[in-house]
Amino acid sequence: TQLLEQSPQFLSIQEGENLTVYCNSSSVFSSLQWYRQEPGEGPVLLVTVVTGGEVKKLKRLTFQFGDARKDSSLHITAAQPGDTGLYLCAGPPSGTYKYIFGTGTRLKVLA
Amino acid sequence: DAGVIQSPRHEVTEMGQEVTLRCKPISGHDYLFWYRQTMMRGLELLIYFNNNVPIDDSGMPEDRFSAKMPNASFSTLKIQPSEPRDSAVYFCASSPVDRDSKYEQYFGPGTRLTVT
Repeated sequence: TQLLEQSPQFLSIQEGENLTVYCNSSSVFSSLQWYRQEPGEGPVLLVTVVTGGEVKKLKRLTFQFGDARKDSSLHITAAQPGDTGLYLCAGPPSGTYKYIFGTGTRLKVLA
Repeated sequence: DAGVIQSPRHEVTEMGQEVTLRCKPISGHDYLFWYRQTMMRGLELLIYFNNNVPIDDSGMPEDRFSAKMPNASFSTLKIQPSEPRDSAVYFCASSPVDRDSKYEQYFGPGTRLTVT
């Protein structure tokens, strides 16, 4: 079974703190996407990483794809209450188009 | 662009009734996906289409579930008969033809289904 395990599952932090969310698999992925989902809405695409070792920045969010394309991380600097939501990594294992979503990390940033 | 459109947004029905969920993908997107989300199981891929043709329906839980895509701008997911365990949020997503190995998906707002 091809799985994307995310950690931590839940995270509650104070405004201004930094945090890192991890997304791990035993399979190689063609690419990985990160999404954020807010209550009552569908997931919204944040970023795509394609190349092993790739690093992308989106304001205070930094995304990294592992060298072997089996894992990824999301780092948030100086978290704000607006960052609250469910963060999901997702992608297709290499050689397939069967899209798999990670187990999710539920982040709550307290003011 | 209007984004992915789903209807209804909320559906409450009694066990045994037929339920039909509808989706209009983003114009020009060649892939369409149906997902189900629950607290226990997270986001599960049910079925996806490429150019209106079902490619993989291995995620469809039972024969009670069926999906169609009669044209590039419309898809349905039908449950007949519905059961309480089908209660979940159902999402439709679409994706453009992959040119750079990106596989990015764009989601609709979802349909919250409650079967009593």
